[in-house]
Amino acid sequence: AQSVTQLDSQVPVFEEAPVELRCNYSSSVSVYLFWYVQYPNQGLQLLLKYLSGSTLVESINGFEAEFNKSQTSFHLRKPSVHISDTAEYFCAVTPDTGRRALTFGSGTRLQVQP
Amino acid sequence: ETGVTQTPRHLVMGMTNKKSLKCEQHLGHNAMYWYKQSAKKPLELMFVYNFKEQTENNSVPSRFSPECPNSSHLFLHLHTLQPEDSALYLCASSQPTSGSVSEQFFGPGTRLTVL
Repeated sequence: AQSVTQLDSQVPVFEEAPVELRCNYSSSVSVYLFWYVQYPNQGLQLLLKYLSGSTLVESINGFEAEFNKSQTSFHLRKPSVHISDTAEYFCAVTPDTGRRALTFGSGTRLQVQP
Repeated sequence: ETGVTQTPRHLVMGMTNKKSLKCEQHLGHNAMYWYKQSAKKPLELMFVYNFKEQTENNSVPSRFSPECPNSSHLFLHLHTLQPEDSALYLCASSQPTSGSVSEQFFGPGTRLTVL
């Protein structure tokens, strides 16, 4: 079984400041890792994913995440946030074989202030 | 319509009512999912359907009854619910492929309030 821990339920940050949203996971097997974003009154959208290869993955809107196997982490970072990045961010994992359903963390609400 | 749609977007029901949530995907996928999103808790997977067959039931109480008549439609029938069942119910779909991971696409959810 897998579990995901998002250490911060809320992260307030000023516009143009850097941000890091933390995610740690636990699994007895190898996993794939995802970050999803949920804007108000909308469903979840995939932000980025790690399947294999380079441990640093990037999204089209400036976010990046780095897979650290030894620390079982997949933290999400952005060097300069915008007001429009205000949303809830979910980290998720799935085993790399067999069952494909996602196990989610409890989410981190990013609040970008002007 | 594109992507994954869910109706209704909001639902208020009493504990003795019977209602249904509907999900429709226009992506040609063959896997569909129901998730429950409660305040302060992780998203909980409820059911998984692959090619219309239920492949996973995550110990969901029988007052929730899913139905998947075809690969494009998924329903969640509700009866004799409890106030703690109030939550956002999210539907998702994906294209299951062996040996690789397929992205799940989510609908906007149905906000359910049980009085």
